[in-house]
Amino acid sequence: KAGVTQTPRYLIKTRGQQVTLSCSPISGHRSVSWYQQTPGQGLQFLFEYFSETQRNKGNFPGRFSGRQFSNSRSEMNVSTLELGDSALYLCASSLGQGKDEQYFGPGTRLTVT
Amino acid sequence: AQSVTQLGSHVSVSEGALVLLRCNYSSSVPPYLFWYVQYPNQGLQLLLKYTSAATLVKGINGFEAEFKKSETSFHLTKPSAHMSDAAEYFCAVINQAGTALIFGKGTTLSVSS
Repeated sequence: KAGVTQTPRYLIKTRGQQVTLSCSPISGHRSVSWYQQTPGQGLQFLFEYFSETQRNKGNFPGRFSGRQFSNSRSEMNVSTLELGDSALYLCASSLGQGKDEQYFGPGTRLTVT
Repeated sequence: AQSVTQLGSHVSVSEGALVLLRCNYSSSVPPYLFWYVQYPNQGLQLLLKYTSAATLVKGINGFEAEFKKSETSFHLTKPSAHMSDAAEYFCAVINQAGTALIFGKGTTLSVSS
């Protein structure tokens, strides 16, 4: 079974721009979660989607948004980029039923200049 | 609120020595706990999970962890370290709704020959 895939793997953007990251979950998984990883704050939860519905959202500003499609693929968008948004963005998928394990993709490294 | 604390941001061992990475949790409900490993420029790989079925959990690559409720701990061990074990290790607890992982700050394991 193919793992979680994320595109693009690397991205360089300028302050004020917006960016869209994509995540394709493991086949059969209906839940997709997004995490931000930075050296200072570590791994922080952004949001989780299940069957196209956002079930949970972390403590991030409204500039961070996401969505999930009927095939369970997910995108996250960051508008009006700030330097502090530079991070590794990780996507994880799971069956989404109960407290099952999450499987992570390789991440998208976003650099904001 | 649930949380995990990883004691020691950096652990160094010799090849063949015992690996012990410490994790303590805080949870008002029976926790579901996880250990993940991250190699440079990669996503997170699941090592093992605790779901209350057994207090001693065996994972991949020879790792295991023991859940001790009295000590609120879930330490990760491996009897004999290999050079390939050098990576960053994260302990995590899943939230009550099962929608978000809450991570510790991580422990970097170095293995010397």
